[in-house]
Amino acid sequence: DTEVTQTPKHLVMGMTNKKSLKCEQHMGHRAMYWYKQKAKKPPELMFVYSYEKLSINESVPSRFSPECPNSSLLNLHLHALQPEDSALYLCASKQLKFCKQYFGPGTRLTVT
Amino acid sequence: GQSLEQPSEVTAVEGAIVQINCTYQTSGFYGLSWYQQHDGGAPTFLSYNALDGLEETGRFSSFLSRSDSYGYLLLQELQMKDSASYFCAVKNLYNTDKLIFGTGTRLQVFP
Repeated sequence: DTEVTQTPKHLVMGMTNKKSLKCEQHMGHRAMYWYKQKAKKPPELMFVYSYEKLSINESVPSRFSPECPNSSLLNLHLHALQPEDSALYLCASKQLKFCKQYFGPGTRLTVT
Repeated sequence: GQSLEQPSEVTAVEGAIVQINCTYQTSGFYGLSWYQQHDGGAPTFLSYNALDGLEETGRFSSFLSRSDSYGYLLLQELQMKDSASYFCAVKNLYNTDKLIFGTGTRLQVFP
């Protein structure tokens, strides 16, 4: 299994809603990532988890809250988002010390 | 800091060869990766050059010159399905779990 899965594929939420994005991998990768990507731009790193511990937070606003319940799962909790947070949210994983990252298909988020 | 520059767009016809350049500025270096991303899709890993020279994987090749701080992705026998965005990337010097992506090149292949 060389796949990263993400749910949901699409999400529309209001600025007062609370929602969560989910990511799962069963490749035994101990590094997991959240990226945000706007149209025609490169992925922008948000968070990195290493051995289920948050190792990098790229000064992301607190309305985004990551969680890594176990080595296979990664969540991104969303609350009080702004319309400018509308983007493709990508999850990725990799083996530590290797360069290749495996990306999930992403969640297309629209904040209304 | 680290920055990677790519041309924003490249166009070519089916069957042609195209080269996508990546120029980077970084005081240290752990190798150059390339990712492909189709519209609406996920980035997928294409290649990695740790050392100078050419790495070949089927129709795609990637080249690195560390002395010139330059690399490129070469796509041969272009097909319509190669129309996508291509990103070069390097590992962050201070945290190698972090990738720094280039600005991205949109390749359009015409019949």
